[in-house]
Amino acid sequence: GIQVEQSPPDLILQEGANSTLRCNFSDSVNNLQWFHQNPWGQLINLFYIPSGTKQNGRLSATTVATERYSLLYISSSQTTDSGVYFCADTGFQKLVFGTGTRLLVSP
Amino acid sequence: GAVVSQHPSWVICKSGTSVKIECRSLDFQATTMFWYRQFPKQSLMLMATSNEGSKATYEQGVEKDKFLINHASLTLSTLTVTSAHPEDSSFYICSARAFSPLGASGIRNYNEQFFGPGTRLTVL
Repeated sequence: GIQVEQSPPDLILQEGANSTLRCNFSDSVNNLQWFHQNPWGQLINLFYIPSGTKQNGRLSATTVATERYSLLYISSSQTTDSGVYFCADTGFQKLVFGTGTRLLVSP
Repeated sequence: GAVVSQHPSWVICKSGTSVKIECRSLDFQATTMFWYRQFPKQSLMLMATSNEGSKATYEQGVEKDKFLINHASLTLSTLTVTSAHPEDSSFYICSARAFSPLGASGIRNYNEQFFGPGTRLTVL
């Protein structure tokens, strides 16, 4: 089945800094999603982005399906951005999750 | 729109008892719901896929007699952990996939999954 790798595994930022998170896939991208898991465990949908670029406020994402990767950009980070960011894609209709990027934004 | 609820949010039970967790899609219909398990500082592990009106499909290594799944309607799936033991303690999360690409909730992506807030189970 599809393999999903995320980098970096951990990231510490000062408030206001920008960051780029990456997701690599072993197979073709079908229904790529980015999530933010907050400290209480809730998974929040950030983007559904099988291809192209989308923006939502300080966040944007780009998926290059032909090269099997996706990027999540966080600009002007805030402490509330802390948590774990997951990308996931469907293989045989099941979401396969990456191992996540743990982000800590300090004031 | 696209809200999924779980109940209870946390539960503590004695070893040997059974625990039922409910997953509801509040503003959309979901033919397919998924149950995940997450250990501390790890990614989500899919346990089973639940289809309305049919038997669940379990992932390899997941005991179907221990984790009973019922998907009785287009908005409700339940996971029952039977004869729970301390090693079953974990964070259980459900997700739902929209039945229709359009609707009051404004879901536009048929294959997009939406997640519940999770249930933290502690077995003593």
